[in-house]
Amino acid sequence: DVKVTQSSRYLVKRTGEKVFLECVQDMDHENMFWYRQDPGLGLRLIYFSYDVKMKEKGDIPEGYSVSREKKERFSLILESASTNQTSMYLCASSSGYGTGVINGYTFGSGTRLTVV
Amino acid sequence: DAKTTQPPSMDCAEGRAANLPCNHSTISGNEYVYWYRQIHSQGPQYIIHGLKNNETNEMASLIITEDRKSSTLILPHATLRDTAVYYCIVRSAGGTSYGKLTFGQGTILTVHP
Repeated sequence: DVKVTQSSRYLVKRTGEKVFLECVQDMDHENMFWYRQDPGLGLRLIYFSYDVKMKEKGDIPEGYSVSREKKERFSLILESASTNQTSMYLCASSSGYGTGVINGYTFGSGTRLTVV
Repeated sequence: DAKTTQPPSMDCAEGRAANLPCNHSTISGNEYVYWYRQIHSQGPQYIIHGLKNNETNEMASLIITEDRKSSTLILPHATLRDTAVYYCIVRSAGGTSYGKLTFGQGTILTVHP
């Protein structure tokens, strides 16, 4: 019962290409997140969204943008892919806001992007 | 959110209990302790979370000290499939954090036959 789906498991793109990474969740979660994971650096938050059409920068937003037109879908966009964006990209969603208990994240399986 | 400190690696024999420690000495009153794990090549998986009291679910138990400055995740009967990186995270449930979690380096748990 897959709940967070990332469109591609592996992706190879050329430097300078515009790249779209798609993430869909079927749990009606308010919050969605994009992380990247690199050896020795752990998971780093790129962008997150707490509602449709809303977005917030994470710790490393440079070189990325996002789109959330529908509640269930959160897209990560690499405007002009560069080799230093080669990484594992992980999407997650969660419910809850503010003073409520934030329940656990649900992660997708990840997209391993290679920029050549 | 408070910082956490975990040992970089631990070993455990299959069938034995795995006890993973986490220090969070600067934790404040409204901050929860979360545990996740990441098995190789997969996304992180939620395990358990707690505020003050000890918690147990089908995966693990979470023991939080009375002063809340440290906690221990217990896998009661570790199996080879429990080999993973385990992350301890502390965060506030209040404010406008929108459920954002900050992952540290975690503990690499290796379960041996």
